[in-house]
Amino acid sequence: DTGVSQDPRHKITKRGQNVTFRCDPISEHNRLYWYRQTLGQGPEFLTYFQNEAQLEKSRLLSDRFSAERPKGSFSTLEIQRTEQGDSAMYLCASSPGGLAVTYEQYFGPGTRLTVT
Amino acid sequence: DAKTTQPPSMDCAEGRAANLPCNHSTISGNEYVYWYRQIHSQGPQYIIHGLKNNETNEMASLIITEDRKSSTLILPHATLRDTAVYYCIVKTAWGGSQGNLIFGKGTKLSVKP
Repeated sequence: DTGVSQDPRHKITKRGQNVTFRCDPISEHNRLYWYRQTLGQGPEFLTYFQNEAQLEKSRLLSDRFSAERPKGSFSTLEIQRTEQGDSAMYLCASSPGGLAVTYEQYFGPGTRLTVT
Repeated sequence: DAKTTQPPSMDCAEGRAANLPCNHSTISGNEYVYWYRQIHSQGPQYIIHGLKNNETNEMASLIITEDRKSSTLILPHATLRDTAVYYCIVKTAWGGSQGNLIFGKGTKLSVKP
């Protein structure tokens, strides 16, 4: 399977704990995005990487959130001191880089986080 | 903020064409119209995009009005597997950091037997 993969698919944690999610993009894609989706809403943009550089962060990404893409391949999203409001589906997407005008984004299956 | 307006829900009979409308009256000249869909418990899936000409691929057709203020996504022969939330998104062409997609609430399409 050469699509975007995310791990774990489901995570249940207690309030105050730290959690980390992983995303493996399609191998030749150098752009990687993180989104968050709560029940009944469309996905909301969190942050974006071009290779290893984090180029954009949404104001939704509070100080408790940090994302990395150390070698320009896989990415991790960490949430520290989780709160019940962090319960959501966390989606990762990737797209090619280059000189083409438009690119579609390919999404992974998501990690569903439940904070109790 | 999302710059599109879509009906919250639609029904379609299996085997019939599903026509999903989208209003984007404030679209700029360099903004494309993208459609994605999200089947329950899965990540969004790209369907099609266009600038001003009508587009067709193996999944769907996209009809954009001449003034570009609205568009329609057409699934020519809807199946039960097309039941999903369909998102219409306007987005500038790639050119810097504006790569993220801004999703609204979309249209929940229910295909019924």
